[in-house]
Parts: sequence; structure tokens; C-alpha cells
Amino acid sequence: AQRVTQPEKLLSVFKGAPVELKCNYSYSGSPELFWYVQYSRQRLQLLLRHISRESIKGFTADLNKGETSFHLKKPFAQEEDSAMYYCALIRSNDYKLSFGAGTTVTVRA
Amino acid sequence: GAGVSQSPSNKVTEKGKDVELRCDPISGHTALYWYRQRLGQGLEFLIYFQGNSAPDKSGLPSDRFSAERTGESVSTLTIQRTQQEDSAVYLCASSVTGAGSYEQYFGPGTRLTVT
Repeated sequence: AQRVTQPEKLLSVFKGAPVELKCNYSYSGSPELFWYVQYSRQRLQLLLRHISRESIKGFTADLNKGETSFHLKKPFAQEEDSAMYYCALIRSNDYKLSFGAGTTVTVRA
Repeated sequence: GAGVSQSPSNKVTEKGKDVELRCDPISGHTALYWYRQRLGQGLEFLIYFQGNSAPDKSGLPSDRFSAERTGESVSTLTIQRTQQEDSAVYLCASSVTGAGSYEQYFGPGTRLTVT
């Protein structure tokens, strides 16, 4: 069975500092990887997906199949980036999202 | 347009009672999902509906849980004889179709507390 691991429950950084959220997965096939974000008092929403290879709100994530990782990075964190971030996986030819436990990011002024 | 809506937003019930949670997906979305999020944990898949196909119930934790969907619209998740371990946030999501590459849009969730 697939598994998504986010080793950090909490991450605190200063505004303007780089931030990296770690995500590792276990799945023998070719998954689709996603990052979802939940800002305070808002609903869970998609931040980015690996197949799009795009940068959203300054965030990027690279799928490393050798290390089975999909870390989320931003070079200069902003206060509005404070939120809960979830890494998620869909197995090939499937539709169910498997989520990590989430990382709470706090960006301090 | 309107996003996914869920009701009620909060539900407190006594152990042993039945509860019904409602989800209104985005109009035109054929795929609908229910997930559960227990405190401090990630979301776990419960059930999936795609059009008129038989639902995927593989994530339902016990036979106390059931869900229905009317056509491609409203869905209800029913929990019978609630237990304290059922306390969680129940999230509904919908997508254009069930293929993995399509974004799942989430509702605000129903927070269920079983006392």
C-alpha cells in the first residue's frame, strides 16, 4: 500500500528566509504527487501538482523518484504563507488521494 | 460559481445516535469523494462516487458507515450508532471526473463530535 510521510509537524521560519517542507512517499508505481494547503479559516485547496511543473505563489516542488521525495520549497517565505500544508499522492490509474499528516508552517515577522 | 458545500458545519451527538452529513458538489462534477480527518492526522479516504458507476466503498471503516449519492448531485454520509472514535472532520470533495489529474475541490467540512 502507498504511504505519504511528512516528518515535520511544525515548521517556523522568519519572513524572507527559505522554507522547505519535506515529503517522502512509498509506492512502487508511478504516482501523481500534490501539495494541498489550508489557510486559517479556509478550506483545503490545491497548491501545486508535479505534472504541471509550475511555480505557485513562489513555491516549487520537484519529484525525485530515486529518493521517493516531493519536497516543497520557497526561497523567501512571506507571512501569508503561514498555513497547514499536506503532501498527497494518487496511484497510477487511480483517483483516491492518500495524504500525509501535514506540516504547520508559521512565518514570523 | 459556488464551491462544494457541506452541512452541518458542526455536529455534536451522543454516543449511539445516528448522524447524517450532507455534501453538495460543484455543479457538473461527476466525481464525489468523502474523506475523514482525525485530530493530528492526514485525511483518509472513505468513499468515491463516479457518475452512475458502483461506488468505491473500500475506505469505509465499518458497516456503521454508509453513503448515497443521487445522480450527480447531493451526497449523504450516514454514521449509525456513533462511537467516540468517529469524532473527526468529515470532508467532501468533487472533481470534473475521477481521473487522477483532475483537481479535487474540497468543501469546508463537518466537524463531528461524539460525546
